[in-house]
Amino acid sequence: SQTIHQWPATLVQPVGSPLSLECTVEGTSNPNLYWYRQAAGRGLQLLFYSVGIGQISSEVPQNLSASRPQDRQFILSSKKLLLSDSGFYLCAWSRPHTDTQYFGPGTRLTVL
Amino acid sequence: QKEVEQDPGPLSVPEGAIVSLNCTYSNSAFQYFMWYRQYSRKGPELLMYTYSSGNKEDGRFTAQVDKSSKYISLFIRDSQPSDSATYLCAMISDTGRRALTFGSGTRLQVQP
Repeated sequence: SQTIHQWPATLVQPVGSPLSLECTVEGTSNPNLYWYRQAAGRGLQLLFYSVGIGQISSEVPQNLSASRPQDRQFILSSKKLLLSDSGFYLCAWSRPHTDTQYFGPGTRLTVL
Repeated sequence: QKEVEQDPGPLSVPEGAIVSLNCTYSNSAFQYFMWYRQYSRKGPELLMYTYSSGNKEDGRFTAQVDKSSKYISLFIRDSQPSDSATYLCAMISDTGRRALTFGSGTRLQVQP
């Protein structure tokens, strides 16, 4: 069976500090990978998606970036965090050429 | 106007009630529809996936799609306190950008 992991689960960072969130998927090959952000009481906003190693599509211009150094690893980064970067960050995967996405447990980020 | 509209609730019902959760959408290109359940501080969990107008049943859950009215529903029969969560609708078009568009979620509380 497939499993998706995210870490850390919770993070508190000062404004202007760097960020690195990691997501890994087990039990599948060549998954599509996604990063979403969910603000309090709001829906999910797609930030990045990837259909393969080194292939990243950005949905929303911002101070975040994503990388996919390995087939089942997806990383969300920032050089300098803003207060508005606070939120619940979710990683998701889907099988190639399919639509159903499966979500990880999420990382709650608070920027102070 | 948002592409997907969903009443945020909260919707409070007694245990055993039939629950109706709804979303409307404006983009006629949406062809595939999903419902996710999200418990507090957790990642969304896929409940139902459907792509045709009509009903799809899975246990106590029934997903209904009316493409002519751009309206989808999720019915929960014999609701349980464990059903208390936020329910997110999501949809995807069959052309162009293959990424899910989410509603903002409806918070459901089932009172024992």
